Amino acid sequence: GQQLNQSPQSMFIQEGEDVSMNCTSSSIFNTWLWYKQDPGEGPVLLIALYKAGELTSNGRLTAQFGITRKDSFLNISASIPSDVGIYFCAGRVPSGNTPLVFGKGTRLSVIA
Amino acid sequence: DAGVIQSPRHEVTEMGQEVTLRCKPISGHNSLFWYRQTMMRGLELLIYFNNNVPIDDSGMPEDRFSAKMPNASFSTLKIQPSEPRDSAVYFCASSTRPGYGYTFGSGTRLTVV
Repeated sequence: GQQLNQSPQSMFIQEGEDVSMNCTSSSIFNTWLWYKQDPGEGPVLLIALYKAGELTSNGRLTAQFGITRKDSFLNISASIPSDVGIYFCAGRVPSGNTPLVFGKGTRLSVIA
Repeated sequence: DAGVIQSPRHEVTEMGQEVTLRCKPISGHNSLFWYRQTMMRGLELLIYFNNNVPIDDSGMPEDRFSAKMPNASFSTLKIQPSEPRDSAVYFCASSTRPGYGYTFGSGTRLTVV
């Protein structure tokens, strides 16, 4: 089945630094979504991307849908302590009415 | 909108006991998903329902696991008998359609001792 490769697996950064993470696949997706999971909670949708090349921002977060439709990235600018958590990418395959495919997540730690 | 509601939030049980996890999806959402999250495997899809009908249960690890959705507002995931390796966080999520943005519940942290 389809797989999403998310990198890095984890990262430790200083408060105020910018963060970049990405998600790649060998298959085409026609929707990319980014979720954040706070400790002890379920994942929450941050950004959804629907067209190849689309660049979308949500506050300090920016995400892009790759031109090839096989990748996406998420940037966080000027990180703050509450950015700590696990970030998941998810993709929707073009064919069929099937569940989203999730990456294994990037665990972000922010050092104040 | 109260979101996806899961209960209990925490469950500690002894090996061999039956465990039932509960989920109330968002009203109007036709698809419901059960996930298991562990450090080793990340988020695993166990089973999903569309319009209360189980569509794909290929992620259910063993016959000890079963799930039901008797109506549009309620689903259960049952483990009988439970084993220590079932310890994980179990999430329920719902959406309007299987391939669209999901809303997750807060999860049930299961510990089997």
